[in-house]
Amino acid sequence: QIHLQQSGPGLVKPSQTLSVTCAISGDSVSSNSAAWNWIRQSPSRGLEWLGRTYYRSKWYNDYAVSVKSRITIMPDTSKNQFSLQLNSVTPEDTAVYYCARVTHPGRIVDYWGQGTLVTVSS
Amino acid sequence: QSVLTQPPSASGSPGQRVTISCSGSSSNIGSDTVNWFQQLPGTAPKLLIYSNDQRTSGVPERFSGSKSGTSASLAISGLQSEDEADYYCAAWDDSLKGYVFGAGTKVTVL
Repeated sequence: QIHLQQSGPGLVKPSQTLSVTCAISGDSVSSNSAAWNWIRQSPSRGLEWLGRTYYRSKWYNDYAVSVKSRITIMPDTSKNQFSLQLNSVTPEDTAVYYCARVTHPGRIVDYWGQGTLVTVSS
Repeated sequence: QSVLTQPPSASGSPGQRVTISCSGSSSNIGSDTVNWFQQLPGTAPKLLIYSNDQRTSGVPERFSGSKSGTSASLAISGLQSEDEADYYCAAWDDSLKGYVFGAGTKVTVL
């Protein structure tokens, strides 16, 4: 059974960096049949895909245009996890952040983490 | 503003049929498959339907999905009280090179 367990601080100050980690069990971050994604949800923006990392003989990343200049998603093969870093945050980045697995092929978003509420406030 | 368009709400009495629409474009629904998610308050979205019309294991047969051109729909027949939730459609967008979602439809059982 696949399980995604998120961890990270719930409060970040404006202009600082938001960091959330997603630990994977039951699958591998290096799997050739999955991509590992970050999605956030807020009342003002709804569900918003932020980006993904995946391994196909080498590592690839794709990021949403809205956050491309501020985001980094990194795999950690030694711990079988991946992380999200979002720089220069503002109160607009306050949201519930989810990690999720998307299958390849098929692009099915089949497993989600439990969600991490991150509030950006001084 | 979401890329995929859903009605904000839908309702029905127990036992009735409710249909939720999801409208997109040629770069998303028109060229890729649609997933549907159910979200209960305080929980992560749960995959309900994938590849337009395939039910995830354990999902009751009263849930069904379909797609035609650049639109998709989710139908709930024999509506039950436990079906009260928010429902979201999603698809990959080839122009945006990212996953796009609808704004969600809140289903109320009267």
